[in-house]
Amino acid sequence: DGGITQSPKYLFRKEGQNVTLSCEQNLNHDAMYWYRQDPGQGLRLIYYSQIVNDFQKGDIAEGYSVSREKKESFPLTVTSAQKNPTAFYLCASSIGDRPNEKLFFGSGTQLSVL
Amino acid sequence: SQQGEEDPQALSIQEGENATMNCSYKTSINNLQWYRQNSGRGLVHLILIRSNEREKHSGRLRVTLDTSKKSSSLLITASRAADTASYFCATDARGNNRLAFGKGNQVVVIP
Repeated sequence: DGGITQSPKYLFRKEGQNVTLSCEQNLNHDAMYWYRQDPGQGLRLIYYSQIVNDFQKGDIAEGYSVSREKKESFPLTVTSAQKNPTAFYLCASSIGDRPNEKLFFGSGTQLSVL
Repeated sequence: SQQGEEDPQALSIQEGENATMNCSYKTSINNLQWYRQNSGRGLVHLILIRSNEREKHSGRLRVTLDTSKKSSSLLITASRAADTASYFCATDARGNNRLAFGKGNQVVVIP
């Protein structure tokens, strides 16, 4: 089955620790995205990548970092600089030539602070 | 930045009834999309309507778009308990290379 796989489902971060959220897709999509969702809120864009080895900051990139070394993978690192990391993180992908027409989402990672 | 704003925020209906929710936005758009999110899960794309379209149907879903009022509505007919979810609108604004999501509408369908 084609789709987007996020792991882990739940993640706990200690103060001062960096943690990495995994996102893998086998849809052959060029574009990939990371969103943050807080309770009762909409999605806010953290980073996006439209092609391998290239990515752009979204609206709330501070305290986060990404890499795009392979088309299939777009990991997100939540650094210690992100002071309020508790949220639900969603990875998404879309067809490269129509990046804003239909997003496919993973099932999310809930990050909490210990 | 987010520009979609759904209204109402929460809706509780009986199974079989219709559910209507609205979304307003601020700038010119290329398209507007609706997504569904079940609790603790990712979003699922439901329907896309382009700026030159006024109405679109997909199964029990009907979407309208009024670009003069910068608003859209999503109608779910003959609702089912399985329709219980949060529904988000997302706009693809002209000159912007990302989708802007609203805060979502929580719909509860009571069996």
